[in-house]
Amino acid sequence: GAGVSQSPSNKVTEKGKDVELRCDPISGHTALYWYRQRLGQGLEFLIYFQGNSAPDKSGLPSDRFSAERTGESVSTLTIQRTQQEDSAVYLCASSFLRGTGELFFGEGSRLTVL
Amino acid sequence: GENVEQHPSTLSVQEGDSAVIKCTYSDSASNYFPWYKQELGKRPQLIIDIRSNVGEKKDQRIAVTLNKTAKHFSLHITETQPEDSAVYFCAASSQTGANNLFFGTGTRLTVIP
Repeated sequence: GAGVSQSPSNKVTEKGKDVELRCDPISGHTALYWYRQRLGQGLEFLIYFQGNSAPDKSGLPSDRFSAERTGESVSTLTIQRTQQEDSAVYLCASSFLRGTGELFFGEGSRLTVL
Repeated sequence: GENVEQHPSTLSVQEGDSAVIKCTYSDSASNYFPWYKQELGKRPQLIIDIRSNVGEKKDQRIAVTLNKTAKHFSLHITETQPEDSAVYFCAASSQTGANNLFFGTGTRLTVIP
């Protein structure tokens, strides 16, 4: 389909391991967002990309979190030395930068840190 | 950065009644205010939005009002139906700035048949 695609859909890892989450935005969408949603909680802003650059990294919880985007397309969110409190659904969304402003979300990557 | 507060966190209404969810924001530069609906286990989807040049917008049974002076905006759902049961998120963004979108903490709406 033409929607936002995220992988893996589910990831179970051991505490201390690194994980990489991938987001394929809708083709042509210049803006890309990562949010974290803990169980029963709201959408916590992590980082936003405008093209390949990230003008706002203020939401990244710690230096264990990093993200990059290449080719104004795919983005990866990397969490190093995972902790149990990192367990959550990580949602990616994309939009046209100068469009209506509507964000199109992926299904999310559910991360469980044991 | 922007701080968006949302109330109530949970809301139960009888089918056919109205539901109102309220949000406040902190950044006076914010000028775009969307509402997203997230059904259980699904991704959030946009249901309605409003920009700062208007005070109210309606789309069938849903409406949003904006008070820029007071920095608050509200979602109104009339004639609620069981399929309206979901978590609703408000958000605020400055589309002339960094364009990032900050969400409220969500309201879990339950419509009782």
